[in-house]
Amino acid sequence: AQSVAQPEDQVNVAEGNPLTVKCTYSVSGNPYLFWYVQYPNRGLQFLLKYITGDNLVKGSYGFEAEFNKSQTSFHLKKPSALVSDSALYFCAVRDKNAGNMLTFGGGTRLMVKP
Amino acid sequence: KAGVTQTPRYLIKTRGQQVTLSCSPISGHRSVSWYQQTPGQGLQFLFEYFSETQRNKGNFPGRFSGRQFSNSRSEMNVSTLELGDSALYLCASSVLGAGTDTQYFGPGTRLTVL
Repeated sequence: AQSVAQPEDQVNVAEGNPLTVKCTYSVSGNPYLFWYVQYPNRGLQFLLKYITGDNLVKGSYGFEAEFNKSQTSFHLKKPSALVSDSALYFCAVRDKNAGNMLTFGGGTRLMVKP
Repeated sequence: KAGVTQTPRYLIKTRGQQVTLSCSPISGHRSVSWYQQTPGQGLQFLFEYFSETQRNKGNFPGRFSGRQFSNSRSEMNVSTLELGDSALYLCASSVLGAGTDTQYFGPGTRLTVL
């Protein structure tokens, strides 16, 4: 069975500082990994995904994520945080043998303070 | 392209009633998945439809059902509502539902069961 862990319920960072939101995963085969962001009273917005190839994936709004197979991690990063980045972030995994089902982590609330 | 749309956005029902939620996918997308989001359980996969056939199902009771129409629009139905069914129900669409596809989410329908 596939699973995702986001070890931090909340991450606090000052505006302009780099941010990292952590994610680790467990799948039986090669993973497809995704990051989504959710603003209040909204659905999930797609940020980026890792399918194969380069371990550093670049996505929307200046976000990037680093895939590390040996550590089974897929941490989300941004060099300089904005107050408007404050939201709920979800990491998700899809096992290529599990159809189209996404398994989500519990979410990490990012708070960026001015 | 217009995004995924869901109707209604908000619903209030009482225990024992049934409810139908609607989802219109992005034009050209043939796969529609449904997820339930609650504070306690997080994001959980309900089911996926592709070409009017249920292709995948999560671990939910039979009170939860769905269908897909020939134009790829999908509906989900919950019968005999329970208080615990109060949640944000999210619909997501993707082109083919293949492993590398990105799922794009709608704004959700917030269901409150009294």
